[in-house]
Amino acid sequence: EAGVTQFPSHSVIEKGQTVTLRCDPISGHDNLYWYRRVMGKEIKFLLHFVKESKQDESGMPNNRFLAERTGGTYSTLKVQPAELEDSGVYFCASSPLGQGRSYEQYFGPGTRLTVT
Amino acid sequence: AQSVSQHNHHVILSEAASLELGCNYSYGGTVNLFWYVQYPGQHLQLLLKYFSGDPLVKGIKGFEAEFIKSKFSFNLRKPSVQWSDTAEYFCAVNEGTTDSWGKLQFGAGTQVVVTP
Repeated sequence: EAGVTQFPSHSVIEKGQTVTLRCDPISGHDNLYWYRRVMGKEIKFLLHFVKESKQDESGMPNNRFLAERTGGTYSTLKVQPAELEDSGVYFCASSPLGQGRSYEQYFGPGTRLTVT
Repeated sequence: AQSVSQHNHHVILSEAASLELGCNYSYGGTVNLFWYVQYPGQHLQLLLKYFSGDPLVKGIKGFEAEFIKSKFSFNLRKPSVQWSDTAEYFCAVNEGTTDSWGKLQFGAGTQVVVTP
């Protein structure tokens, strides 16, 4: 079974440019999550999709960040325009949606974003 | 605000030594608890989890953790570490019964280095 995949693995952009990160969850996982780790800080939650709907977007830092999950499969996270403080590693995770809500989350390898 | 605290940022120890990593959280309600590990060059993976029941949980690779509700703690232990346990370890907490039921709140992580 393929794990969570993310693309690209690394992106270097200039301040003011736009970047789109992609996440493909494990097949059949209805829950999809985005997290971010800024260097030296803890991993922070950004948002949670259940299928194509946003269950919780309380962690999105501002309106420069737009997450979508059309069709309930893969998800994209767009940063427009990028700022220096957006640099960090963006993780995606997925989990199944079943009888209980308490499932472990499976993480992808992350996308390292560097804004110069 | 809810928080997760990991007591040590860096731990260096020799092979065969015992390891204990502290984790405390500040949530007052029902929680699910996790320890994740990130080995060098790899993605985050689950070591163990606690949802309910026996507060002493066993995970992969000889790790275990004990949930002490009265102390709001979930400490990770391994009796005898190996060089391959060199990694960064993350404690994470999830509130199981709120609208943010998918959100994992992470501690800052503990970098563990095991020397031969």
